[in-house]
Amino acid sequence: SQQGEEDPQALSIQEGENATMNCSYKTSINNLQWYRQNSGRGLVHLILIRSNEREKHSGRLRVTLDTSKKSSSLLITASRAADTASYFCALPPSGTYKYIFGTGTRLKVLA
Amino acid sequence: NAGVTQTPKFQVLKTGQSMTLQCAQDMNHNSMYWYRQDPGMGLRLIYYSASEGTTDKGEVPNGYNVSRLNKREFSLRLESAAPSQTSVYFCASRRTGLEAFFGQGTRLTVV
Repeated sequence: SQQGEEDPQALSIQEGENATMNCSYKTSINNLQWYRQNSGRGLVHLILIRSNEREKHSGRLRVTLDTSKKSSSLLITASRAADTASYFCALPPSGTYKYIFGTGTRLKVLA
Repeated sequence: NAGVTQTPKFQVLKTGQSMTLQCAQDMNHNSMYWYRQDPGMGLRLIYYSASEGTTDKGEVPNGYNVSRLNKREFSLRLESAAPSQTSVYFCASRRTGLEAFFGQGTRLTVV
């Protein structure tokens, strides 16, 4: 399957703590993208990392990519209650326009 | 700039009825997508269109048809709705290699 597998499926942390979620995949990719979804609304793009990049930052977000292990991680530092959402990785496999999402991690940040 | 617009936002159908979900984007994107999301689950790709005039099956195409009417519009049709098609449907568009933009979703209930 081209789909990314994310873990954990669910994560509950206290406000101020860091949250880490992972995405593993099987195919070769040009880039990997992370999205956030708030309670059943449309997904919002967070960050894109290209296959030749190892790490990327955007505000409190840090994404890493290890193409040898076919895995990526998303770190949210100093989490806030507003970060409560589902997070998905997206994999646009090389040579196709199919755009498949991972299974998602449900993050709950407790105030 | 409206982005991706889906209509309707809510719909209740009786088993066997048909309906068309509409999607339009104003970002001049080539690729458009239809996903469904069942409660507590990730997004599953139904159909996609890499460019105007082309459509391809995704992961779960059975029971659906699509039309890429022009570059802006991509519609999803349920010919004979079944309770198993109760879901939230999302339309998305993207430029090749870049992030996707999502509509607000259509909440469909088939009774």
